[in-house]
Amino acid sequence: GAGVSQSPSNKVTEKGKDVELRCDPISGHTALYWYRQSLGQGLEFLIYFQGNSAPDKSGLPSDRFSAERTGGSVSTLTIQRTQQEDSAVYLCASSSPYGGYTFGSGTRLTVV
Amino acid sequence: ELKVEQNPLFLSMQEGKNYTIYCNYSTTSDRLYWYRQDPGKSLESLFVLLSNGAVKQEGRLMASLDTKARLSTLHITAAVHDLSATYFCAVDMAYGNKLVFGAGTILRVKS
Repeated sequence: GAGVSQSPSNKVTEKGKDVELRCDPISGHTALYWYRQSLGQGLEFLIYFQGNSAPDKSGLPSDRFSAERTGGSVSTLTIQRTQQEDSAVYLCASSSPYGGYTFGSGTRLTVV
Repeated sequence: ELKVEQNPLFLSMQEGKNYTIYCNYSTTSDRLYWYRQDPGKSLESLFVLLSNGAVKQEGRLMASLDTKARLSTLHITAAVHDLSATYFCAVDMAYGNKLVFGAGTILRVKS
């Protein structure tokens, strides 16, 4: 596609429920990243995928968070047993070898 | 571990004035990025700097990179209200590595 597509754009969930956030990167971009941005804060790295290499999961805040990337394209970020502190905007980005990261519009997650 | 620091974190400017935002990083790299974020919006790419001495300009914004000093600057010339936003710099070590962000600089241009 022309840009990085994320869905849903907004998600309200009850505490304790699981949620799945989807990211469809730019076609041909082999690197895909997930970041989290809490209200008024900077960007917190969560996880990234590069080609067929094992993902760098070093930023995942707890074992309730996981992500997968199927077929080297679409990625899903899953948060299990959501907590109120998980409320944030979750941003996905993809990049090409020629520089530059393109970010999606984000998913605003609200845990009530 | 790569760390990225921006300053100032908040900048209030009068229209027509010039100012510079600074971005320092801790580990040798020649790949630095500047982004703009408007409230409630995602990140818009402003500049991609991929070599020492790189300088890029777009309108009233000019970005430069000094890899020896591990420093990038974003210079604002004759600020206008439309430039009000949060500006982030970010660094990675190589393609396919983690992109590390600074904390962001909130810019407010007053009429």
